[in-house]
Amino acid sequence: DGGITQSPKYLFRKEGQNVTLSCEQNLNHDAMYWYRQDPGQGLRLIYYSQIVNDFQKGDIAEGYSVSREKKESFPLTVTSAQKNPTAFYLCASSIDGVGQRANYEQYFGPGTRLTVT
Amino acid sequence: AQTVTQSQPEMSVQEAETVTLSCTYDTSESDYYLFWYKQPPSRQMILVIRQEAYKQQNATENRFSVNFQKAAKSFSLKISDSQLGDAAMYFCAYRGFVMNRDDKIIFGKGTRLHILP
Repeated sequence: DGGITQSPKYLFRKEGQNVTLSCEQNLNHDAMYWYRQDPGQGLRLIYYSQIVNDFQKGDIAEGYSVSREKKESFPLTVTSAQKNPTAFYLCASSIDGVGQRANYEQYFGPGTRLTVT
Repeated sequence: AQTVTQSQPEMSVQEAETVTLSCTYDTSESDYYLFWYKQPPSRQMILVIRQEAYKQQNATENRFSVNFQKAAKSFSLKISDSQLGDAAMYFCAYRGFVMNRDDKIIFGKGTRLHILP
């Protein structure tokens, strides 16, 4: 089955610890994205990557870091510098890459609920 | 910069009735794509419908249809014969025609739809 996997579904961490959220896709998509969603709110873009070994900051990148060493993987690290990390995190991918017509929708993973206490 | 506005944070509709969710956007581009996504209580984001700006015909997917008014920059979603399973958060989204390195999809803040039995 093709799709996007995010693990784990629920994650608990102590304040001051870095934590890495996994996102893997087997759809052969070029672009991958990370969003943060707070209760009752919309999606806010953290980081995105249109191609391997390249990524761009989104609207709320402070306190987060990413890597894109492989096409199928785009892990997100929530660092201790992120002041309010408790949230629901969604990973997405889309087939199109740089220079292509952007007429494809994003496919989303099931999300990870991160709680930091 | 492009923006997407959903002016109705919450709406309710009686089961089997029709409801329309509003979305307006702002862009200086002439070619682009618009989407409606659904996020049910499971929080899995699902694509509902897609509209290409160069197509005058409104997109339709079963009970879901859009009213695309390009000049007015309006993209409303109509749900006919509402069902309990339609209860969800609905997001309107915009993306440009061609992928640039810093391209991203722009989401509205969402409309929470309640279905009354």
